[in-house]
Amino acid sequence: DAGITQSPRHKVTETGTPVTLRCHQTENHRYMYWYRQDPGHGLRLIHYSYGVKDTDKGEVSDGYSVSRSKTEDFLLTLESATSSQTSVYFCAIRTRQGAEGYTFGSGTRLTVV
Amino acid sequence: KQEVTQIPAALSVPEGENLVLNCSFTDSAIYNLQWFRQDPGKGLTSLLLIQSSQREQTSGRLNASLDKSSGRSTLYIAASQPGDSATYLCAVPGGGADGLTFGKGTHLIIQP
Repeated sequence: DAGITQSPRHKVTETGTPVTLRCHQTENHRYMYWYRQDPGHGLRLIHYSYGVKDTDKGEVSDGYSVSRSKTEDFLLTLESATSSQTSVYFCAIRTRQGAEGYTFGSGTRLTVV
Repeated sequence: KQEVTQIPAALSVPEGENLVLNCSFTDSAIYNLQWFRQDPGKGLTSLLLIQSSQREQTSGRLNASLDKSSGRSTLYIAASQPGDSATYLCAVPGGGADGLTFGKGTHLIIQP
């Protein structure tokens, strides 16, 4: 199985503070994604990356930025957290495994108070 | 824009029943479809990946079918068990750089 880890697993932060979530993979997959999961909305794509320093916006990118300085790390930053960004955040990688499927991390539960 | 719909949204059945979960998508130009399982408070576990050239995939008691032309997939669970209780998500590539577009899931409860 592809190794993908997210940190932290849980975080509580105050409105207006910056927050960075980390996604780390161990197998040099090119494509990485950040999603958020909310009741009633399901999983929605925030940002994605197709290589080092190559990133682009997804469906719900407002208020978020990303960076990928190394193949293995994809960072999601909330520049100034708001209560509407309270959510569960998942990172995913696109793998080959003979056919391209997707593997997800265990998620980060973020609460903005 | 790709849209994915899952029916039913919730399902509760007694143990031992065979059941079918449905997924439909609006854009049939997909190259695969993936079914996931999510337990409460947990991440997503991949169950089955069906390539566009395939009509079905099987893993144990699970069988997933794909009909691209009609924009439908079904997940068949045979002889359901309480341990199958979870939310089942269907997803197709359709977001930016082929990120997945998800349905909202079917919340399944198997009664002992």
